[in-house]
Parts: sequence; structure tokens; C-alpha cells
Amino acid sequence: NAGVMQNPRHLVRRRGQEARLRCSPMKGHSHVYWYRQLPEEGLKFMVYLQKENIIDESGMPKERFSAEFPKEGPSILRIQQVVRGDSAAYFCASSLRDRGPAKNIQYFGAGTRLSVL
Amino acid sequence: TQLLEQSPQFLSIQEGENLTVYCNSSSVFSSLQWYRQEPGEGPVLLVTVVTGGEVKKLKRLTFQFGDARKDSSLHITAAQTGDTGLYLCAGANNNDMRFGAGTRLTVKP
Repeated sequence: NAGVMQNPRHLVRRRGQEARLRCSPMKGHSHVYWYRQLPEEGLKFMVYLQKENIIDESGMPKERFSAEFPKEGPSILRIQQVVRGDSAAYFCASSLRDRGPAKNIQYFGAGTRLSVL
Repeated sequence: TQLLEQSPQFLSIQEGENLTVYCNSSSVFSSLQWYRQEPGEGPVLLVTVVTGGEVKKLKRLTFQFGDARKDSSLHITAAQTGDTGLYLCAGANNNDMRFGAGTRLTVKP
């Protein structure tokens, strides 16, 4: 049973380029979440998506950042015109579509470490 | 301000010692999760607690959910160097989950 898969694990971009981070949820999971983590800090919520819908994007900057979770394929977090301050670890998590407490459990990928030069 | 406050923020102890870390909130949660994160990796789920007053044991780790479902504690007995990591608590309601900033534990040999 494959876990949450994120790629690439490491991504280096120059200022002004675009960064695309991919996340394939666990099998059977239809909810995807993206978090950002700076060194020595906790996880900061960015966006929550279900298939083809953005449910909550309250933690995502309005400019340059976008996320999608298409009917087919992985979820994508896109950062346009990256700046040095975008350097961080970006984690994706997925959860079940369920009514019980189990639906709240999020399982994480290993993250993508973005470095902006 | 954090929805979930974790304390202490940093903890450094010797191997073999016991420790307790705390996760507090003014909000009620339907469930609370504890995760451990090692450097360069994603958070790994340790436990989910659902019922107020619930106590769960995972080998040397004991997790307790407060009666009012607003707070939780994690107690580690006879810590080992392999317990080193960032311990994160997360409170959940429906599909909304929010994380604390974590307790960074270092267990020295």
C-alpha cells in the first residue's frame, strides 16, 4: 500500500522561475492538503483540496501560488516567479473520505525541499 | 497566535530519563493526532485520540486526551536516542486540521 508520494524531493530554482510540486495521495484518499515548513518551525497550512475542487485556500498567498487536484493525476502546487523567501519544505498530506474520526487523519509525504537561488 | 500551543518548545535530556510534552488549546477537537518528524522527512503519525479522557499506550509512549478534548499530553518513559525528533500535535474537526509548532526533543547518549 503505497503512501503519499511527493516529487521531486529536492527542487532548485532561480529567482523568477516557476516551481511545480507534485503529490499523489494514498490509494483511496480523495482529500489533499499542502503545508509549508520553514527550518526549525512547525507546519503551516496552505490549502485543502478535494478532486477538482479547492475547499480551503486560506493559508495560501494570493499572489504567485496556485494549487489544483484534477480528476486524473496528482495534485500540483505551483509557485510562479519564485523569490528567495519561497525556499522551504513543502509537505503534502492526504486523508480518507469518511464520516468517522478516521477521516481526520492525515498521512504525509516526505516533502519537497525548494531552494531558490 | 497558534490555535494549538505546544510546550516546551525545546527539550534536551539524557538517555533513560522520562519526559512529558504538552499540547493545549482553547478549542474543542473531535480528534487529536500526534506526529513525529525526523530531519529531512515528513511527519509520521504516532496516534489518534478521539474520546475525552482517553489514554493510549504505544510501547514507551503514553498519550492522553483531556476530558474536555482541548488538550493532550505525551509521556515518554526511559527515552532513547531514537526518540529524537520534532513532536507535533494536530487538532481536527471535520476535515480541518491545525498543527501546533511542535516540541523539538533531543535525547543525548
